[in-house]
Amino acid sequence: DAKTTQPNSMESNEEEPVHLPCNHSTISGTDYIHWYRQLPSQGPEYVIHGLTSNVNNRMASLAIAEDRKSSTLILHRATLRDAAVYYCILRGTTQGGSEKLVFGKGTKLTVNP
Amino acid sequence: EPEVTQTPSHQVTQMGQEVILRCVPISNHLYFYWYRQILGQKVEFLVSFYNNEISEKSEIFDDQFSVERPDGSNFTLKIRSTKLEDSAMYFCATSTTQTVTGELFFGEGSRLTVL
Repeated sequence: DAKTTQPNSMESNEEEPVHLPCNHSTISGTDYIHWYRQLPSQGPEYVIHGLTSNVNNRMASLAIAEDRKSSTLILHRATLRDAAVYYCILRGTTQGGSEKLVFGKGTKLTVNP
Repeated sequence: EPEVTQTPSHQVTQMGQEVILRCVPISNHLYFYWYRQILGQKVEFLVSFYNNEISEKSEIFDDQFSVERPDGSNFTLKIRSTKLEDSAMYFCATSTTQTVTGELFFGEGSRLTVL
């Protein structure tokens, strides 16, 4: 199973920043932190990934704690289209060399207009 | 933007019937996956496939399931004799790489309803 802990749900207002936390206290040195999201009635969609340094892309930013035991996905200005379930997933060679993604329950983000 | 295409979008079948779900991967992708999501539950890994072989499969992927890439384009999931509990959304995903930094691209899914 996924070795991450996320809140079941969070709410945000449109055009405000959203910080989605993820705890992964048993992360190993070779585990990458991936975030995917699943919009209603759609397949999962890649958001971002990182190893140690903070990462930015056009969709979001990923802030990784110095000890790597937690991370935060940051949506800088939430829109109604960002309402989705967000999954924090560890992916690394410690999974017996497996390349598959293992999804947990994720955080359901509600964006209020 | 290239995308993974799945057909059918929705299939209704009788218990015991065979079902084939089809996926057209992004053209330069070589690694293929099937996942399923029962209504209200987690997305679950079924199988990964590379170079015409299964790389890994989960406990869910029993003898009733099979995958193949018969014509070098479509990637198919076959369920030989469907059960009620096979009712779910099935997602195909593809990737250019199997490294841990690789991104998986998912299709929109095929909803299977077994009556």
